[in-house]
Amino acid sequence: QKEVEQDPGPLSVPEGAIVSLNCTYSNSAFQYFMWYRQYSRKGPELLMYTYSSGNKEDGRFTAQVDKSSKYISLFIRDSQPSDSATYLCASLAGGTSYGKLTFGQGTILTVHP
Amino acid sequence: DVKVTQSSRYLVKRTGEKVFLECVQDMDHENMFWYRQDPGLGLRLIYFSYDVKMKEKGDIPEGYSVSREKKERFSLILESASTNQTSMYLCASSSRDQETQYFGPGTRLLVL
Repeated sequence: QKEVEQDPGPLSVPEGAIVSLNCTYSNSAFQYFMWYRQYSRKGPELLMYTYSSGNKEDGRFTAQVDKSSKYISLFIRDSQPSDSATYLCASLAGGTSYGKLTFGQGTILTVHP
Repeated sequence: DVKVTQSSRYLVKRTGEKVFLECVQDMDHENMFWYRQDPGLGLRLIYFSYDVKMKEKGDIPEGYSVSREKKERFSLILESASTNQTSMYLCASSSRDQETQYFGPGTRLLVL
């Protein structure tokens, strides 16, 4: 079993829809949770970062972590065609881990006009 | 602005060739990473380095080696390229006291 599981999709939604992207993880040592966005033929870029449980909002994006159920979510409100990309969740254990992230498989999202 | 650059965007090599992929970061980061990305498998860590001349195996190190002679530069070496090493290779870096990694644009390698 992979330490971080993510539904690869693909997910196709109309412009303006609310998008929900989800991951589950199995390692209780994970304390830091990130979402990366990757456009086609580009490297991933950090979108959201959360420490421990709770919500974090940034514009149209909300990241949510529920450590009790080991569930990570990213919500996109009022989705735009420019949001079409691959979204990767990632987790990091606390302590001396040398910043070694564990990634999910990535979800391919297409927002059509 | 953090910048991570990779020596090539696209590379075509023949089976058995020795392949060098170079990565340079300009933010004085201690940690550097090499991943490969394949459809349906996500990012898989090949090797990482937390200091000059230090290296640690990731999840899939077989068939690869690395070199970190200078802090800003991390090289991935395919000793004898094989067709199953056709992939997108991504380099990343992070500082010792930050959790986020910054990625380069990737090198798309095709081994024929």
